Amino acid sequence: SSELTQDPAVSVALGQTVRITCQGDSLSDYYTSWYQQKPGQAPVVVLYGKYNRPSGIPDRFSGSSSGNTASLTITGAQAEDGADYYCASRDRSGDHVVFGGGTKLTVL
Amino acid sequence: QVQLQESGPGLVKTSETLSLTCTVSGGSISTFYWSWIRQPPGKGLQYIGYISYTGITYYHPSLKSRVTISVDKSRNQFSLRLTSVTAADTAIYYCARGLNRGQQMPYYWGQGALVAVS
Repeated sequence: SSELTQDPAVSVALGQTVRITCQGDSLSDYYTSWYQQKPGQAPVVVLYGKYNRPSGIPDRFSGSSSGNTASLTITGAQAEDGADYYCASRDRSGDHVVFGGGTKLTVL
Repeated sequence: QVQLQESGPGLVKTSETLSLTCTVSGGSISTFYWSWIRQPPGKGLQYIGYISYTGITYYHPSLKSRVTISVDKSRNQFSLRLTSVTAADTAIYYCARGLNRGQQMPYYWGQGALVAVS
């Protein structure tokens, strides 16, 4: 089982706002990265470090955290945002990377 | 532009050794953290391990007895070796690099290589 817990599936109406969460004991100590993965493709980082967006990632993607929960928010979800989203952070010892189980986002 | 490309056999026999190579362009292999991640069909991502720019390695506890990650500086490549494979090792294997020196979190990813164990 993963040290980071995500809801398996979330849906959002086109143009609405959706929050995808990630829970884990280590998240209060380390930054969380978020990856988007579309079918047949490698994961792409959408947020890293302290809520940084790589160039090319729309500003509708944002991050936040509170205690042991990190969140990825998509404000005004688009059809192309439908994908699997994975959170990642350090494990409790800080030694290595751990991934959440992933959340499948459906844009209705 | 940073690019990573996995290569290796797409089919490995049960009990044999899986070997993959990641060829790096757009950056020196002597810097950064270099990671391997895998994804069984239809499942989530699993972090296999890394090798740092100082040669330090980390392996996931569940794989530690079977996995080796190494670097070939002359070819700007790093490699994954997984011994005694079973069907449970069937997965897409990704190589990845951190954004900056000292950052372990995967930022740049290869396109992935599907390895089937049969």
